[in-house]
Amino acid sequence: NAGVMQNPRHLVRRRGQEARLRCSPMKGHSHVYWYRQLPEEGLKFMVYLQKENIIDESGMPKERFSAEFPKEGPSILRIQQVVRGDSAAYFCACPPVVGGSFKSPLHFGNGTRLTVT
Amino acid sequence: ELKVEQNPLFLSMQEGKNYTIYCNYSTTSDRLYWYRQDPGKSLESLFVLLSNGAVKQEGRLMASLDTKARLSTLHITAAVHDLSATYFCAVDGGNYGGSQGNLIFGKGTKLSVKP
Repeated sequence: NAGVMQNPRHLVRRRGQEARLRCSPMKGHSHVYWYRQLPEEGLKFMVYLQKENIIDESGMPKERFSAEFPKEGPSILRIQQVVRGDSAAYFCACPPVVGGSFKSPLHFGNGTRLTVT
Repeated sequence: ELKVEQNPLFLSMQEGKNYTIYCNYSTTSDRLYWYRQDPGKSLESLFVLLSNGAVKQEGRLMASLDTKARLSTLHITAAVHDLSATYFCAVDGGNYGGSQGNLIFGKGTKLSVKP
């Protein structure tokens, strides 16, 4: 997971607050995927972004969740008015090579573990 | 809908023994991945399997792919404690209306290797 930086590593929010999760791929990478992992479960795809564009948001909940990847700065996954069911590990991932094909596996960051109290 | 099923979900084995983890998926795919996850950690890529009959080996782990049977296996030879982790298989959902990189994961196999 070298090069895919996520912060914070742990985030605690009370119900109703907002959570902001950040993902910085390696310099020059413009593709970011966000995945969510509920306890004792596999990862579930949420959204795929290229710089400034959402390419596939088929896994995003319709309400309270949004994602962006601005021209400058990290990708942000934003969860408004968090509920206990949002408690999970959130991972971002990038293709390992700039412009690489999907014959190479995605590289995952270390994740942000969100706890909603 | 593309589904990926792993079994077993939990596996406790003794050091030195062999075992196989199975990964079935519901429709054809041309990319299958195996990842390892240690508790509280990220996912580490183990294998990428791209064609029918593909076999890859790294140390005590060997992965294979049978696209006709829609089955991949991860075989563990002479297990050691360091292999204790959760193992996930994933199939690329890019052929099914999703974008490439939209991986469909199995629930994972939690492996515990005891001395």
